[in-house]
Amino acid sequence: AQKVTQAQTEISVVEKEDVTLDCVYETRDTTYYLFWYKQPPSGELVFLIRRNSFDEQNEISGRYSWNFQKSTSSFNFTITASQVVDSAVYFCALSEMIYNQGGKLIFGQGTELSVKP
Amino acid sequence: ETGVTQSPTHLIKTRGQQVTLRCSSQSGHNTVSWYQQALGQGPQFIFQYYREEENGRGNFPPRFSGLQFPNYSSELNVNALELDDSALYLCASSPSGTGGSVDPADTQYFGPGTRLTVL
Repeated sequence: AQKVTQAQTEISVVEKEDVTLDCVYETRDTTYYLFWYKQPPSGELVFLIRRNSFDEQNEISGRYSWNFQKSTSSFNFTITASQVVDSAVYFCALSEMIYNQGGKLIFGQGTELSVKP
Repeated sequence: ETGVTQSPTHLIKTRGQQVTLRCSSQSGHNTVSWYQQALGQGPQFIFQYYREEENGRGNFPPRFSGLQFPNYSSELNVNALELDDSALYLCASSPSGTGGSVDPADTQYFGPGTRLTVL
């Protein structure tokens, strides 16, 4: 069965520290998509990145970087030089086909990141 | 700003009542998905609508139902509310994929959610 595991429930760092959020997934599909979302206290899920299963190239966007390793079924997210505004709950998600017609998102439990000044 | 709006922001109901939650998708997005997020949990897929028809359902009972309208708005209806229905309800819209069908590659853009409390 498809599943996403975020083993870190809570992480607390001091501003300017680097932090890595782990994500491990399970799927039987050969084609799938992985996502990261950020959920600030306001509640709205903010899209950060989408990665397909055929592209294992790491991606960097400003202070954010993602490490996709198909061999270990992991899609980890690193924030470099963290800032207080990065404090939020971060979700990793897997996109699954529905009856070969579409996709639903399967989310992990989330990692609550607290960045202290 | 994703362009996805939801109403109301908060809602308090009592057990056994019925509730309707509303969502307005981004213009041009033909797919809307609804998720339930219990406190401290990740969102759980309820169902998805594509071009006004249900396109898949998660593990939720029939008392959870939905509608999608041609003007990019949609509704989630829950009958016979139970205490465990207390949660944040999120809708997400996504553009239709190539070939005119929903594509798992489509990014889903979420609204701010409706927090439902059942007493």
